[in-house]
Amino acid sequence: QSALTQPRSVSGSPGQSVTISCTGSSNDVGYYDYVSWYQQFPGKAPKLILYDVSKRPSGVPDRFSGSKSGNTASLTISGLQAEDEADYHCCSYAGSYSFVFASGTRVTVL
Amino acid sequence: QVQLVESGGDLVKPGGSLRLSCAASGFTFSHHFMNWVRQAPGKGLEWVSYINTGSTITNYADSVRGRFTTSRDNTKNTLYLQLNSLRAEDTAVYFCARGVGWTFEIWGQGTLVSVSS
Repeated sequence: QSALTQPRSVSGSPGQSVTISCTGSSNDVGYYDYVSWYQQFPGKAPKLILYDVSKRPSGVPDRFSGSKSGNTASLTISGLQAEDEADYHCCSYAGSYSFVFASGTRVTVL
Repeated sequence: QVQLVESGGDLVKPGGSLRLSCAASGFTFSHHFMNWVRQAPGKGLEWVSYINTGSTITNYADSVRGRFTTSRDNTKNTLYLQLNSLRAEDTAVYFCARGVGWTFEIWGQGTLVSVSS
């Protein structure tokens, strides 16, 4: 159960696009199309923003998009807004009713 | 509305025990698998445990296997996590999360467990 890898932080100006990578292995990200992404504000609970790599729950703006290539999944925030400043966590199903998270990425809007 | 409310977090000494609860409302609890996820202070999220709808399948992270036990009472719409042999590194906010597919769809607000002498 090795953790996934995300950059510690990314930043961008309002209106720009930022991409957060999430690297796992052939046992999790590379094998299953069950990568999900969560947005978390300080002191709050995480909120689901993408699931099954690229699907958005109802109510999540379409500026949030996801993709996957090999063992790496990515979250892209297009048209960055001040309200997007938060921590973002990726997670993958790892088989046998287990899951693995990454350590999270802080997105800063300059 | 759909809601998960955790309780039971406390300050406990190393080696001690605690039971966390997660009360569900606003949806058919028995139709969803459930998970516990924790977050140590200033750290990322860590999956802790899984339980299926009928309690016939459970699984745990290696870091807690043999010490933590998850259970559920579908008649009370409540999920539980029994924490035994607690260590300092178990200090975290513990969230319960409703599962859909292989995703954590809805999260509770969390309950803080502090392990310190």
